[in-house]
Amino acid sequence: DAMVIQNPRYQVTQFGKPVTLSCSQTLNHNVMYWYQQKSSQAPKLLFHYYDKDFNNEADTPDNFQSRRPNTSFCFLDIRSPGLGDAAMYLCATSVRGSDTQYFGPGTRLTVL
Amino acid sequence: QQQVKQSPQSLIVQKGGISIINCAYENTAFDYFPWYQQFPGKGPALLIAIRPDVSEKKEGRFTISFNKSAKQFSLHIMDSQPGDSATYFCAASMRSGGYQKVTFGIGTKLQVIP
Repeated sequence: DAMVIQNPRYQVTQFGKPVTLSCSQTLNHNVMYWYQQKSSQAPKLLFHYYDKDFNNEADTPDNFQSRRPNTSFCFLDIRSPGLGDAAMYLCATSVRGSDTQYFGPGTRLTVL
Repeated sequence: QQQVKQSPQSLIVQKGGISIINCAYENTAFDYFPWYQQFPGKGPALLIAIRPDVSEKKEGRFTISFNKSAKQFSLHIMDSQPGDSATYFCAASMRSGGYQKVTFGIGTKLQVIP
């Protein structure tokens, strides 16, 4: 089935140790999003790609970076994770011009 | 600034009852109002959505009521079932440069008890 896949599902890292989260999609959608969802909070958009065009939200910390090497894959890099970065990270996709976003299952990040 | 206010944050309903979740928004530029359902350990999934030119939309047991003048919308789940137990997010979105910028409410954790 076509879907949005996130790996790993659970990631544990140490304070300050760089970590990369992965998202892949078989939907061939040209827009990909990264959201941060902290416990009992709403998902918050970090950034999105339209094809290779990167769009950063104004309040996304510089500590968060992203790469999209091709249509299918998108990565979230956290350069120096702090305790406050512990959260569920959700990847989503959509077709440009469409209202519907399709979410992956998320990666739960723990920072020790 | 919380642009989409959602209440209640938690809700317990008896099986067969009606679950009602309310949301209010501030920005009149929003043009699409989806509801997402999220089960533990899963990503949010689109449940039902409405545009502001429609006052009500029904899909099976799920109904959205929309009041444009009051800038409020609500989700009604009729004949609630234990399998409906999940977190529900209302959202409001607007078209921005070809993509939909979605603002989520804080979520409502629904528990349907037998």
